[in-house]
Amino acid sequence: RKEVEQDPGPFNVPEGATVAFNCTYSNSASQSFFWYRQDCRKEPKLLMSVYSSGNEDGRFTAQLNRASQYISLLIRDSKLSDSATYLCVVDALGGNEKLTFGTGTRLTIIP
Amino acid sequence: ETGVTQTPRHLVMGMTNKKSLKCEQHLGHNAMYWYKQSAKKPLELMFVYNFKEQTENNSVPSRFSPECPNSSHLFLHLHTLQPEDSALYLCASSQGLGPGDYGYTFGSGTRLTVV
Repeated sequence: RKEVEQDPGPFNVPEGATVAFNCTYSNSASQSFFWYRQDCRKEPKLLMSVYSSGNEDGRFTAQLNRASQYISLLIRDSKLSDSATYLCVVDALGGNEKLTFGTGTRLTIIP
Repeated sequence: ETGVTQTPRHLVMGMTNKKSLKCEQHLGHNAMYWYKQSAKKPLELMFVYNFKEQTENNSVPSRFSPECPNSSHLFLHLHTLQPEDSALYLCASSQGLGPGDYGYTFGSGTRLTVV
């Protein structure tokens, strides 16, 4: 099992729709979870940290399921500007140490 | 300047050349990282520095040589590279060693092409 695994997509979603991504991680000792966004030919940028209780930032909601070892990202009322690659990031070795990045899920919002 | 700055943005070099990538962070962070991002692959950690001391070398070939003169500056010296080394090289920093609550802050990267 890969340390961090994501569906690469692509997800092609009409504007205004709701879209959800999941990401699984292999180490039950992992403590830090993030979603990053990466636009084409740009650097990754932090979108959200993912907390145990789940957290919401505007149209974005992140959830953590420790029992099943996955995190999710929900985007409501999607905008054209949400088109990007979404990277799942986990401290895959546990202990809140170095981060391991998933390959990313490519999202395209269609007008 | 703010954030993490990388230069150059683009670099084309021959296999016999020697070049250096530069990274500078203005965030007061203590840890800095080099990552490699190849097409259709996840980011690969190359080196980690904490308070300018190298704490990790992730089995990187010796043709890549990092240098960290202080907590704000990080270099990646390149020599006798191979075409498969062509990739986006990203520098990142964090407050301490490990992501904390805010993850890593990345520079805009150097897109390297080896010909």
